[in-house]
Amino acid sequence: EAGVAQSPRYKIIEKRQSVAFWCNPISGHATLYWYQQILGQGPKLLIQFQNNGVVDDSQLPKDRFSAERLKGVDSTLKIQPAKLEDSAVYLCASSLRGTMNTEAFFGQGTRLTVV
Amino acid sequence: AQKITQTQPGMFVQEKEAVTLDCTYDTSDQSYGLFWYKQPSSGEMIFLIYQGSYDEQNATEGRYSLNFQKARKSANLVISASQLGDSAMYFCAMREGYNNAGNMLTFGGGTRLMVKP
Repeated sequence: EAGVAQSPRYKIIEKRQSVAFWCNPISGHATLYWYQQILGQGPKLLIQFQNNGVVDDSQLPKDRFSAERLKGVDSTLKIQPAKLEDSAVYLCASSLRGTMNTEAFFGQGTRLTVV
Repeated sequence: AQKITQTQPGMFVQEKEAVTLDCTYDTSDQSYGLFWYKQPSSGEMIFLIYQGSYDEQNATEGRYSLNFQKARKSANLVISASQLGDSAMYFCAMREGYNNAGNMLTFGGGTRLMVKP
């Protein structure tokens, strides 16, 4: 079974530029998550999709971050414009369902550096 | 308020000894699930073990076991017979069961475990 695919693995941009990350979840997984992990901290949930609907995006800075999940499969996360404090690893994860006992499977992450 | 608290930023353990990583959680729900993940220096998050709030037995998976004390709202991870490859960050996470449309998975701040040879 293929895992969660993310691209790119690394990205360096200047502040005020735009950047987009792509995620392909495990086939058949209804729930997809985007997390931001700042160095030395735990992952912070940015947005959670159930199929192509948003379950929660309360911690997504909507003035600069946006995310979509086309047709309930792939997802993209965009930052426009980027700030220095956006430097982090962006993790995508998916799970079969969003129920209580379902573990999430993670991709390798995209390491973003904003200079 | 923090949903998941891991009070140990870093821990050392001697190879082949057991170690306990602490996790306390905060929820008013009766239904919830608790997870532990391992994150090696390579960055991927690896699922280790799960405990449901209604499970009467403590979960075990190989060398990993979960010391679940519901009244204290703690879900400590116990690693027996530590190996050098266990050196990594360990995260406790929780899903609360309040929303059937998809329950959020929230993480604690993590504990860095270092195994000494």
